[in-house]
Amino acid sequence: DIVMTQTPLSLSVTPGQPASISCKSSQSLLHSDGKTYLYWYLQKPGQPPQLLIYEVSNRFSGVPDRFSGSGSGTDFTLKISRVEAEDVGVYYCMQSIQLPPNLTFGGGTKVEIK
Amino acid sequence: QLQLQESGPGLVKPSETLSLTCTVSGGSISSSSYYWGWIRQPPGKGLEWIGSIYYSGSTYYNPSLKSRVTISVDTSKNQFSLKLSSVTAADTAVYYCARHLDYYDSSGYYPAAFIDYWGQGTLVTVSS
Repeated sequence: DIVMTQTPLSLSVTPGQPASISCKSSQSLLHSDGKTYLYWYLQKPGQPPQLLIYEVSNRFSGVPDRFSGSGSGTDFTLKISRVEAEDVGVYYCMQSIQLPPNLTFGGGTKVEIK
Repeated sequence: QLQLQESGPGLVKPSETLSLTCTVSGGSISSSSYYWGWIRQPPGKGLEWIGSIYYSGSTYYNPSLKSRVTISVDTSKNQFSLKLSSVTAADTAVYYCARHLDYYDSSGYYPAAFIDYWGQGTLVTVSS
């Protein structure tokens, strides 16, 4: 199984300041089709998760451009350029390259506002 | 706008079978390019993929749950369902149904982690 490891477990950020979350996979997420199947989700309190970033660096529809994703192979990063109050919640990375399919999530990073 | 809604008992006794249904509205469950899945979240913990199904009935399950899980689809009702047998307290969780894209590998189409629609989730408690 591919293990997804996120750091840090939690972040306390002043509004307007940047934030960065790391996600490392136990195996490369680069597929033979050239795509890397790494995704980022935000779960706001009391809500289901919502897709932020797909295939490492592509923002999903409606996601503000203060969110960006980067990385390759096994090391990935989600950055928020200027954290806003509405960004609080738990961020998860997720992969779907393993076959037979076994979609796995990282353990989550809780972001709160100072 | 696509909507997914979970339904089913909120309380299940240990050793019994958990059964949930997800009703899809605002779109067809028979659309190509999409898998329909179940994901759960124990209280205060992280997310776990349970399994996914294509409208044709092709299924994939989390290996750690595979022996206890059955996911089925009813295209006539635009629904898909989850059955989890022999439940214990460890199966207490919020259960989400969701839609995700597929992707192509040389051996076929598989569920991708691109999940664009989620139900609101339903809490299922396993207790006597």
